[in-house]
Amino acid sequence: GAGVSQSPSNKVTEKGKDVELRCDPISGHTALYWYRQSLGQGLEFLIYFQGNSAPDKSGLPSDRFSAERTGGSVSTLTIQRTQQEDSAVYLCASSPQDNEQYFGPGTRLTVT
Amino acid sequence: GQQVMQIPQYQHVQEGEDFTTYCNSSTTLSNIQWYKQRPGGHPVFLIQLVKSGEVKKQKRLTFQFGEAKKNSSLHITATQTTDVGTYFCAERYSSASKIIFGSGTRLSIRP
Repeated sequence: GAGVSQSPSNKVTEKGKDVELRCDPISGHTALYWYRQSLGQGLEFLIYFQGNSAPDKSGLPSDRFSAERTGGSVSTLTIQRTQQEDSAVYLCASSPQDNEQYFGPGTRLTVT
Repeated sequence: GQQVMQIPQYQHVQEGEDFTTYCNSSTTLSNIQWYKQRPGGHPVFLIQLVKSGEVKKQKRLTFQFGEAKKNSSLHITATQTTDVGTYFCAERYSSASKIIFGSGTRLSIRP
């Protein structure tokens, strides 16, 4: 079946512009995570959605970052007024009943 | 706060040698998962351990969960070039909490 998809796969933007990153999880998965990974580094937790519960936003690095999950399915991560330090690969993962995570291919964001 | 320590950070081995990576928690865990990320790829789930003292094997990979459910290890016997990548543990502290990833161990192999 279809896995987790993310779009765009690559995004180059100018400093100060806003960007939206999209994640389509596996159908029926109740949990959805966003992570950020810089080159050669580990996974930095950003935000966690579980069913209808309030999202865990404790990993968002600043108020320029926000995310929503509509109808318990598609999620969008928005970064406002992008900075060069926001350049990284943004990974989305979904999970059935919050067990093993299935990762998407990621969006590589480059801020120039 | 919650901390996930994973060691070593890097490991460079000769093909055929064994490899082990360890995860240690300051808090008792509900369960632990292991993932592998190939260079240029995304993390892929390997296994989940739930029970105290649990040991699971997948071919040349052996996963252990400590008796106190505070540590875990992944051991690869006779490494092959296909084992190259970064291995992450991911810990959950309660059934209601989010999963937290360790910093990863990057494995490289000399043919």
